[in-house]
Order: sequence, then structure tokens, then C-alpha cells
Amino acid sequence: AQTVTQSQPEMSVQEAETVTLSCTYDTSESDYYLFWYKQPPSRQMILVIRQEAYKQQNATENRFSVNFQKAAKSFSLKISDSQLGDAAMYFCAYRSAHGGATNKLIFGTGTLLAVQP
Amino acid sequence: DGGITQSPKYLFRKEGQNVTLSCEQNLNHDAMYWYRQDPGQGLRLIYYSQIVNDFQKGDIAEGYSVSREKKESFPLTVTSAQKNPTAFYLCASTFRGPNNSPLHFGNGTRLTVT
Repeated sequence: AQTVTQSQPEMSVQEAETVTLSCTYDTSESDYYLFWYKQPPSRQMILVIRQEAYKQQNATENRFSVNFQKAAKSFSLKISDSQLGDAAMYFCAYRSAHGGATNKLIFGTGTLLAVQP
Repeated sequence: DGGITQSPKYLFRKEGQNVTLSCEQNLNHDAMYWYRQDPGQGLRLIYYSQIVNDFQKGDIAEGYSVSREKKESFPLTVTSAQKNPTAFYLCASTFRGPNNSPLHFGNGTRLTVT
């Protein structure tokens, strides 16, 4: 069974600085997708960024980028120029790409990010 | 605008009562999911449905039941058999099949049982 591990329960960053959130996963599959979701105090789950395992290039979305290391099964999220609105719980998630699979997302336990003004 | 609607936002029940949480989507998604969120435990899958009239147990299905009579709707019933029902419940949906489409989430329902 696949598992997702986020080893940092809480992180803190100064406004305008850069922070990296860690995520590792365990799978025997070669084809899959990885996601980072953000959950602000409103508790709405918001997709931040996604990565296809077959792509070597790291995904980037404005100030958000990932460092995807397939061999190491690592998928960290880098937030550049941190803003107060980035304060939230961040979840890393895994999804199998195999046909007939449940397509369910498997989540890590989350990292609570605080942004200091 | 397309989206997922969960209602109500807050729900209070007495112990021993069954309660049904509503989830409706107008995104034409095939698959729908129910997750439970507890502090420090991330999101855990309760039930999921890939097509109408079919659903499967997730990792923590005991004490819960679902139905999928319509593509748009996937209600979750928390029964009196669920030992710790107080939690935040999230409904999600996506297109079926091997693709990178993300799950779209509703705004959640906070259930408190006393």
C-alpha cells in the first residue's frame, strides 16, 4: 500500500522569505501523480501544484515550485517570497495512475505553515 | 459556476442518532469521495464511488454508509455505530480514469456529536 509522510508538523517563515516543505512517499508503482494542497483557516482544500511522475521537469506555479526526486521518492514544495496569505495547512498527496485504480488520493498528515510579518 | 456543495456547514447531533451529510456536485464528475479530517491525522478516506449505483469502502468505513443514486449526489450517513463521529468531513469529486485531474473539494461539514 502506498503511504505519504510529512515529517514537519509545523513550519514558520518570515514574510518575503523562502520555505521548503518536505514530503516523502512509498510506492512500488512507476506511474503516479503527486499533489500539494493548501488548507487555509476557511478549511477549503485548494490545489497548489501537481506533478506527473513520468515528467522529469519539476512543476512550477508562480511562487510555488517542487523538487521531485523520483528515485528518492521525495516531493518537496518550495514557496518563494512568502506572503501572509500563504499561512495554511499544506498536504502532500499521492494518486495512482493505473487504469482501474480507485483514483483516490492518499494524504500525508500535513504541515502547518505560519508566516511571520 | 461549477462546484461541490456540502451542507450544512455545522451540524450538531445527540449521541445515538444517525445523521446524513449532503454532497452535491455539478462538475459532471464520475467519481466522488468522502474524507474525514481529524487533527494530526490528515485526511482519511471513508467511502468512494466511481459510478452511479456503485460504491466502495475506504480505509475507515465502519459506522458510515453512503448511497449513489444520482451522478450529482453522494450523501454520507454517520450512524450510531460510529464510535467517534465528531470530526470535519470533506466531500470531493473528480473525473474517473487514469489522469492527473485533481480532486475538487467541497467546503466541508463540521459534525459535533454530544
